[in-house]
Amino acid sequence: SQTIHQWPATLVQPVGSPLSLECTVEGTSNPNLYWYRQAAGRGLQLLFYSVGIGQISSEVPQNLSASRPQDRQFILSSKKLLLSDSGFYLCAWNRDIYNEQFFGPGTRLTVL
Amino acid sequence: KNQVEQSPQSLIILEGKNCTLQCNYTVSPFSNLRWYKQDTGRGPVSLTIMTFSENTKSNGRYTATLDADTKQSSLHITASQLSDSASYICVVSAAAGGGNKLTFGTGTQLKVEL
Repeated sequence: SQTIHQWPATLVQPVGSPLSLECTVEGTSNPNLYWYRQAAGRGLQLLFYSVGIGQISSEVPQNLSASRPQDRQFILSSKKLLLSDSGFYLCAWNRDIYNEQFFGPGTRLTVL
Repeated sequence: KNQVEQSPQSLIILEGKNCTLQCNYTVSPFSNLRWYKQDTGRGPVSLTIMTFSENTKSNGRYTATLDADTKQSSLHITASQLSDSASYICVVSAAAGGGNKLTFGTGTQLKVEL
């Protein structure tokens, strides 16, 4: 069976500090990978998606970036966090871009 | 612009009662519609998936309906339980080539009380 992991589960960072969130998928190969952000009271917003190693598509311009150094690893980064970066970050995967996405447990990021 | 609107925004019901959540969408061309359940502080989990030709689909006490003509979907929860307390998110997929074409609703926050 497939599982998706995210860490850390929670993170509190000062404004201007760097960020690195990691997502890994087990039990499958060549998954499509996605990063979402969910602000309080808002719907899920797609940030990045990747259909393969080194292939990153950005949906929303911002101070965040994503990388996929390995087939089942997806990393969300920032060089300098903003207050507006606070939110709940979810990683998801699927095999077909039109099929159901399976979500990770999420990372709660608070920027102070 | 593709949009998904859900109502009500929040709902409180007593345990054992039924409830219906609504989803209206303007996504085109339509591919499929999913309902997710998201517990607080957790990732969403899929409840049902419906394509254009499916009018209803059940998953235990959850029954989703789809009217592709009016572009409306509903999620009916029967005999609610305390564990049903969560956010229910409607997600519509567009049949477009390349990349992720999902549009997410903002969710209905359901609270089931004793």
